[in-house]
Amino acid sequence: QLQLQESGPGLVKPSETLSLTCIVSGGTISSKNYYWDWIRQTPGKGLEWIGNIYYNGGTHYNPSLTSRVTMSVDTSTNQFSLRLSSVTAADTAVYYCARHASCPNCYFDSWGQGILVTVSS
Amino acid sequence: DIQMTQSPSTLSASVGDRVTITCRASESISDYLAWFQQKPGRAPKLLIYKASSLQSGVPSRFSGSGSGTEFTLSITSLQSDDFASYYCQQYKSYSPYTFGQGTKVEIK
Repeated sequence: QLQLQESGPGLVKPSETLSLTCIVSGGTISSKNYYWDWIRQTPGKGLEWIGNIYYNGGTHYNPSLTSRVTMSVDTSTNQFSLRLSSVTAADTAVYYCARHASCPNCYFDSWGQGILVTVSS
Repeated sequence: DIQMTQSPSTLSASVGDRVTITCRASESISDYLAWFQQKPGRAPKLLIYKASSLQSGVPSRFSGSGSGTEFTLSITSLQSDDFASYYCQQYKSYSPYTFGQGTKVEIK
């Protein structure tokens, strides 16, 4: 059974870069059938899709965040990562990694448990 | 962006009730709609995809319908385990994928 697990610092200072990793187990990140996503959730804005990455490194980012987002994938360790630069308090959220299949079946069928990241000095 | 609007924001119901949640898209998304259930402190869980297809393992009291811009999630005979928040999400356009703001189903 596929499992995703987020890891990273729970506290980041304003203007710095948020870095998170998602470890995938029970399945291979190198599958050509799936994309690997980051989604965040705040009380104010709800669920917001950040972007995704394919096993070959191809990415799609939310236009609202694209200037600050970088995603990478490491097939040798079966994990993918998120970097969000120049963070502010508005980036405080629970961050989830997730998976979706190739379209037209591109709904999120597996999620990590989520990690709370607080932006504060 | 495709805007997803859910109603109501909060719904009070009793065990055994039938409840219906509506989700409207700002433009046609065909049937590229998913529904998720989320409990406090947990990740969203996929219930329905392709507007009306039940995800494996999800009880049959959950059902989805609709196409185009208007969709509904129904729960027949509400169980205590169903008190949670529910979200719709469109996946017609990945630029970007968008979610509704959520509906909280609470105990009456």
